Amino acid sequence: QSALTQPASVSGSPGQSITISCTGTSSDVGGYNYVSWYQQHPGKAPKLMIYDVSNRPSGVSNRFSGSKSGNTASLTISGLQAEDEADYYCSSYTSSSTLLVFGGGTKLTVL
Amino acid sequence: QVQLVESGGGLVKPGGSLRLSCAASGFTFSDYYMSWIRQAPGKGLEWVSYISSSSSYTNYADSVKGRFTISRDNAKNSLYLQMNSLRAEDTAVYYCARWIPDTRVDYWGQGTLVTVSS
Repeated sequence: QSALTQPASVSGSPGQSITISCTGTSSDVGGYNYVSWYQQHPGKAPKLMIYDVSNRPSGVSNRFSGSKSGNTASLTISGLQAEDEADYYCSSYTSSSTLLVFGGGTKLTVL
Repeated sequence: QVQLVESGGGLVKPGGSLRLSCAASGFTFSDYYMSWIRQAPGKGLEWVSYISSSSSYTNYADSVKGRFTISRDNAKNSLYLQMNSLRAEDTAVYYCARWIPDTRVDYWGQGTLVTVSS
C-alpha cells in the first residue's frame, strides 16, 4: 500500500484536459510544498514533470501544470496528445524518517 | 548532459548478495545527494535509500534496513548499493537517481533488473 493515494486510471480524448489527484496527509502533501510528478512510459525511466507543487523543469511542456489544496495535490494535462499516454506518479517530502514517499501511480489512456 | 548508468543486476538466489553500481557523468557528482529507487514488475515506485554528497548521511526504507548498504566514491563518480540476504520481494528494476533533498528526483538512470528466484 502506497503512502500517497492516486486513482488507478484516468482517460481522455485528444485535445481534452485531465486531472490526476494525489492524496496524502498533513505529514507529507499537506504539510510541505514539495510535491513532484513523474511521467513513465512503458519500459522507460521516470521523467520529472513538475516539482515543488507547480514548477516545471526546463523542457517540459506548459500543457502540464500542478496545484495543491490541503492534503491533495493535482496534476493537470491540457490539450491531451497521444504521447501523453503513460503512467504518472506523484511524490512528496514526508516528515517520517524516509523523507520521500510515492503514490501508487495512475495510468493515463488517451482515447 | 546528465547521465546515470546502472550495472550489476541479474538473477540471484534467495539469501544471496548482489552489488549494484551507477556511473554518473555530466554534472559535479560530489555536489549532489544520490538515491536508489526500485520498481517491482508491474508495480509502482518505492524509495530504497539515499546518501548525502559527502557520505555523511544515509537512510533506508524499513523494507531493506539492515540488509542493504548504500555508498559512493566521489573520485570515481560512482554510486553503489550492496544488497545482502536478498528476498523474492526484492525483485525489481533498481534506478539510480539524483535527489535534490526534500524537493525532487531530477534525473534517473535507465535501471537495472534484479531477480531473486531459486
